[in-house]
This record gives sequence, structure tokens and C-alpha cells, in this order.
Amino acid sequence: GESVGLHLPTLSVQEGDNSIINCAYSNSASDYFIWYKQESGKGPQFIIDIRSNMDKRQGQRVTVLLNKTVKHLSLQIAATQPGDSAVYFCAETYPGTALIFGKGTTLSVSS
Amino acid sequence: DAGVTQSPTHLIKTRGQQVTLRCSPKSGHDTVSWYQQALGQGPQFIFQYYEEEERQRGNFPDRFSGHQFPNYSSELNVNALLLGDSALYLCASSLRLAGNEQFFGPGTRLTVL
Repeated sequence: GESVGLHLPTLSVQEGDNSIINCAYSNSASDYFIWYKQESGKGPQFIIDIRSNMDKRQGQRVTVLLNKTVKHLSLQIAATQPGDSAVYFCAETYPGTALIFGKGTTLSVSS
Repeated sequence: DAGVTQSPTHLIKTRGQQVTLRCSPKSGHDTVSWYQQALGQGPQFIFQYYEEEERQRGNFPDRFSGHQFPNYSSELNVNALLLGDSALYLCASSLRLAGNEQFFGPGTRLTVL
């Protein structure tokens, strides 16, 4: 079946660095994408979303970029903090379907 | 404003038993989706309920069933438990007319021995 995949299972950065987490999606019909953060023992927490009619969306310290040509999604975290350490998932969907999650990238931030 | 709540937090069952997990959606939400998350994996969609009916279903056997009540809360039932059913079960709620933005609960950790 179709699924959303992430390029790297783990990413280690220093506190204060910028982090970039990548995701490739396979369904060109997907029109809504979400990044979730999941801390140990907790459910996924919404970070930021983007619709297919946009290329970029910014939040507080986070930016999501969408490249529909190559079906690529990325999450940029500015000035990464130890509290950003978690597993990050991208998810895709299109009208009438449920969210499809990838396997996740574990971000480790050292101080 | 209460978020999504789930009960119980943890549960231990043996093979062949049946289990019921419960979910209360975020205030104002009318749609509940259930996901299974195996260790080290992303959540996998089980099914979605809206207006007390199952609206979508993922690739899960009939042993997995659910229900939605008039107050929008929901239950997930799993019969004839297998070892492979051990996972974190997540409930997510959303507002149907607001699109696909879903808010997740903390999950129920099910261990099947």
C-alpha cells in the first residue's frame, strides 16, 4: 500500500542548531500534510500543517516546506532546544481518506 | 477545554481475551479515529466513526470493532487477542466540517501475554 516515509530514522543535533527533518510521500493525490511530534509515552502532538496549494508555511520556530514536484516534505526547527527531542512523524491525507503516517525520525538534541 | 482523553492508560491481557478501550473526544469535535501504533512504528489507521457509524476502515480484521455514542465518545473492541495486538492504541478527534486536523489522546498501552 501507499505510505509516507522519512529519509532518516535518527537525527542528532546540538542545542541551538537548526534541524531539518525530511519526508517523502508517494500519493500525488494527497492534499494535506501534517507534522506531529511524539514524546515518549504520549500521543502525537500537532506541530504544523500545510495544504497542497502552498509551498511553505511558518509557525513559531518551525517551518514546513512542500515540494509537490518531487513529493517531498520537510520540517525545519530553528534554534533546536533539548525539549524538541522526540520522534517526528509526517502524515498525508486527501479527501475521504484517513491520515497515513510514516515511520518517524527520532530527533536527539544535546546541550 | 479538555483535550482527547483515553482510558485505561495501561492494560495487560492474555491471548484469546477481549478488550475494550475508551475515548472521549476534544470538546466540540464530532469525529473519532482509532490508530494502532506498534513499537518503533508510525500509527496505523484502524477506523473512523462519525454520527455513530463507521465511516472508514483500515486494513484490520473484523476482530477489531468499534462504537460511537451520541455524546461522540467512542470505544474500540478487540476480540480473540493475539500477541501481535500488543501496541499503543491512539484515539484522535476532529471536527468533520473542519477538515482533517486531528488531535490525539495519550493512548492506551495494551500488552498481550
